[in-house]
Amino acid sequence: GAVVSQHPSRVICKSGTSVKIECRSLDFQATTMFWYRQFPKQSLMLMATSNEGSKATYEQGVEKDKFLINHASLTLSTLTVTSAHPEDSSFYICSARVASGIIYQETQYFGPGTRLLVL
Amino acid sequence: GDSVTQMEGPVTLSEEAFLTINCTYTATGYPSLFWYVQYPGEGLQLLLKATKADDKGSNKGFEATYRKETTSFHLEKGSVQVSDSAVYFCALSDPGAGGYNKLIFGAGTRLAVHP
Repeated sequence: GAVVSQHPSRVICKSGTSVKIECRSLDFQATTMFWYRQFPKQSLMLMATSNEGSKATYEQGVEKDKFLINHASLTLSTLTVTSAHPEDSSFYICSARVASGIIYQETQYFGPGTRLLVL
Repeated sequence: GDSVTQMEGPVTLSEEAFLTINCTYTATGYPSLFWYVQYPGEGLQLLLKATKADDKGSNKGFEATYRKETTSFHLEKGSVQVSDSAVYFCALSDPGAGGYNKLIFGAGTRLAVHP
């Protein structure tokens, strides 16, 4: 099946620094990638939808200047947490969707997630 | 807005026991419904889906039926195995702005199966 990777799997940083998380579709081209955030024992919350070559669409309440998303190619999207603070500590998960011809396939393939801890 | 509610875990079962994980949803339109599974250390994987009322999704012995009248999509398996231990997420897709579907997830239910 389709594989999505994330790097790094775990990162610890100091408050005020920026952290970049990569999401790659390894064996398929993803026109759309999604970024989610998951708090402990809670659901995944969609942060933004990223389309290759265009600006990301952010969900209500998500600061686009804080969570910078770049989808430069059909296999790579990046999420940069700028000026990170302890409240940004969370589990960040990306997914990629395969677009098949005219009809969108709804299946999203998920990465394993990146755990961010801001000290 | 749209939402998904699923039973809290953890659910602890003995091997070969019957499993039910309840999921109900709220949606304004006609959503597609999904169950995803997350094994330890791995990403979410699609387990099964149903796109319209009365559809039954099935995979690996798991089943769920899209019940519009009760707005439910309960996950069932007749005989669980230790290898089924994972976190299970119920989700719906909601056609969003620009026609790009997005997933709305429940909180997840952890299943632990012991020998």
